Amino acid sequence: AQSVTQLDSQVPVFEEAPVELRCNYSSSVSVYLFWYVQYPNQGLQLLLKYLSGSTLVKGINGFEAEFNKSQTSFHLRKPSVHISDTAEYFCAVSSNQAGTALIFGKGTTLSVSS
Amino acid sequence: NAGVMQNPRHLVRRRGQEARLRCSPMKGHSHVYWYRQLPEEGLKFMVYLQKENIIDESGMPKERFSAEFPKEGPSILRIQQVVRGDSAAYFCASSSGQGSSNSPLHFGNGTRLTVT
Repeated sequence: AQSVTQLDSQVPVFEEAPVELRCNYSSSVSVYLFWYVQYPNQGLQLLLKYLSGSTLVKGINGFEAEFNKSQTSFHLRKPSVHISDTAEYFCAVSSNQAGTALIFGKGTTLSVSS
Repeated sequence: NAGVMQNPRHLVRRRGQEARLRCSPMKGHSHVYWYRQLPEEGLKFMVYLQKENIIDESGMPKERFSAEFPKEGPSILRIQQVVRGDSAAYFCASSSGQGSSNSPLHFGNGTRLTVT
């Protein structure tokens, strides 16, 4: 079974500052990793995913994440945030075996202020 | 809109009533997942279905909850005899392939169930 831990429940930052949202996972098998964003009263939208290959993954809206197998981490980063990035961010993991569901972390609320 | 459609967006039920939540997957998607979101708890997996089959229901409560995805029509999540603890946002997601490996989930905007 897989599990995900998002280490920060809330991250407040000022506009144009860099941000890192932390995510650690545990699994006994190889995994795929994802970050999703949820704006208020909406569903989740995929930001980026790691399936294999390069450990640095670039996604939409200027976000990127780095897969670190030795530290079992998949932290999300953005060099300069905007007010519009205020949302809840979810890290998720699934095994690479067919037919398995995504397991989500509890989410991190990113609040960007001016 | 070719995305995942959930209805209703908001549903209010009194304790003891039944709640039926509907999900129409994206066109061409035959895999449906239901998740429940509670404040401060993130999304909890409930059930994974393909057309006419339940593949994984390990996250479903043993009583009062059921799900189906018939050959024709939307997927239905049914909650019988609702209690206040069932109040939550329920999200449906769909994919085209096997699980999330190469076909990431596309989410609907959710149904917010309030039990009074």
